[in-house]
Order: sequence, then C-alpha cells, then structure tokens
Amino acid sequence: GESVGLHLPTLSVQEGDNSIINCAYSNSASDYFIWYKQESGKGPQFIIDIRSNMDKRQGQRVTVLLNKTVKHLSLQIAATQPGDSAVYFCAEGFGNEKLTFGTGTRLTIIP
Amino acid sequence: ETGVTQTPRHLVMGMTNKKSLKCEQHLGHNAMYWYKQSAKKPLELMFVYNFKEQTENNSVPSRFSPECPNSSHLFLHLHTLQPEDSALYLCASSPLAGGGTGELFFGEGSRLTVL
Repeated sequence: GESVGLHLPTLSVQEGDNSIINCAYSNSASDYFIWYKQESGKGPQFIIDIRSNMDKRQGQRVTVLLNKTVKHLSLQIAATQPGDSAVYFCAEGFGNEKLTFGTGTRLTIIP
Repeated sequence: ETGVTQTPRHLVMGMTNKKSLKCEQHLGHNAMYWYKQSAKKPLELMFVYNFKEQTENNSVPSRFSPECPNSSHLFLHLHTLQPEDSALYLCASSPLAGGGTGELFFGEGSRLTVL
C-alpha cells in the first residue's frame, strides 16, 4: 500500500540555525500534505499544509517545499529556538480520504 | 489549549478491567477521531465519527468500543485489553471528516498501560 516515510529519525540543530526535515511520500495522487509538531506530553499540533498545485508555502519561520517530481516534502524552520524541539510528522491526504502519517523525526535544538 | 480535552491523561489497567477514555471538543466541529500512537509507529486511525455517525472503523478489535453521543463528545470503552494495547490514545476533531483540509485538532492524549 501507499506509505509516508521520513529520511531521518533524529536531527540535532544548533539554536539559531535553520533546520530542514524531510519526508518522502509514495502516493502520487495525494493532493495535500501537512506537517504536525508534537511536543513531549502533548498531542500533535498543525503547523502548515500545502496543496499539490503549489511547490512552496511559507508561514511564520516555517516553509514547506513540495517536489512532486521526486515525491518529496520538506519543512524548513528558520532561526530555531529551544521551543522547536519536538517530533515532526508529515502526513498526506487524497480527496476525502483519511490522512496517512509518517513515523516522525525528532528535532533537538542544542542551546 | 487546543480545544480538545481528553481524560484521563494516564490510565493503568489490568487485562480483565473495563475502563473508558473520554474526549470533549469545544470547537464546534462535526467530526471526531480516535488515533493510536505507539512507539516508532505512525499514527494509526481507529475510528471516525461524522455528525455522531461512525463512518470508519479501521479494523479495530472489538475490545475497543467507541461511543459518540453527540458531536462534542467521544468515548472509547476498553474491555479485556492486551499488553500490546498499551499506547497513547489521541482524540482529534475537525470541522468535517473528509473535508479535504486535513487539519485535525488533537487532544493531549490518554497514556494507557495494560498490565
């Protein structure tokens, strides 16, 4: 079946640096993609989404890039802060179908 | 505060116990979900309710029994669980199931340990 996966399970970044979290997906029919952040002891929190007719979308300190040619999604976090330490999940959806989540990448910000 | 409240936050139960997890959302959403989160696994969708009607049961064992009395409340009744059912159970809501936006609002989860 289709799956969403992440390239790296862990990532450590120096505070103030930019971080990039990657995600590969395999369902070429997926038409929207979402990044969630899950802090320790909390539920996942929506960060940003992007539709398949776009290749870039920016939020506050975050940018999501979508490369449909290679089925790759990335989340860029600028000027990382200690509060950015969390597990980040990508998820994909198609039409009215339920989301498929990846296993997550743990981002650690080093002070 | 996400607008989705889950209780209890932690639960320890024996395999012969019966317990329930509760979820309440204050967002005016019409869809509610139960997800299971185990270590090193993707979030697993268990059940979906849309306007109080169950629209998805993702092949969940019958020892998990959901109940949705109204659009704001969702329960997960637990009976004769197995140790492998130990996990974080997350409730979520959205304006409408399958609405295509994908934005789910999650509660903080109920950490279940089955002894």
